[in-house]
Amino acid sequence: DIQMTQSPSSLSASVGDRVTITCRASQGIRNDLGWFQQKPGKAPKRLIYATSTLQSGVPSRFSGSGSGTEFTLTISSLQPEDFATYYCLQHNSFPWTFGQGTKVEIK
Amino acid sequence: QVQLVQSGAEVKKPGSSVKVSCEASGGTFNNYVITWVRQAPGQGLEWMGGVIPMFGTANSAQKFQGRVTLTADKSTSTAYMELTSLRSEDTAVYYCASGSFSIAPTTGTRYYYGVDVWGQGTTVTVSS
Repeated sequence: DIQMTQSPSSLSASVGDRVTITCRASQGIRNDLGWFQQKPGKAPKRLIYATSTLQSGVPSRFSGSGSGTEFTLTISSLQPEDFATYYCLQHNSFPWTFGQGTKVEIK
Repeated sequence: QVQLVQSGAEVKKPGSSVKVSCEASGGTFNNYVITWVRQAPGQGLEWMGGVIPMFGTANSAQKFQGRVTLTADKSTSTAYMELTSLRSEDTAVYYCASGSFSIAPTTGTRYYYGVDVWGQGTTVTVSS
């Protein structure tokens, strides 16, 4: 199974900060990775697919990069509505696996 | 775009089974993989498995093999997740989610595009 190691598990940041979240795969997954945002009590929402393609309707302050085994989600200027938990998901091979999540909190 | 509507909350006794449904509308059911993900209270997302209605095939995480059955009814555009031998650790919100796939014309190899649209979630509580 492919393990996805996501870091950090949590972070505190201020509105306007640049935030970076990383997922590392235990083996190469090409670009078969998506990023999701989840707010309390809600279903996850996909932000990025195929590593770096922005989902329709998602603000451009979100971006994704990487390839192979290391992937990054960047929020260029954190907004109040971005405080949430973020997850990566690899779908290169079964079983698909999520990262452990990163909770982004208000500093 | 497809929309997914799941069945309502369930309360079950340990040792019993639960069957959650996920009805798709607004898209072509055969073009999707329906994935099941669960989230225990305060925990992260856990991939359980997926079913491809076009082929009637399913994959599931080894952790759930022998306890989970993933099916799809093309006539009603509804996917189902049945989990048996429930224990307290199965208390969670269960989500279905859809994603597309493609088939290479020459090799028949399937390529999956992950998950896109999510259902609203179904809370399953296992308690004596």
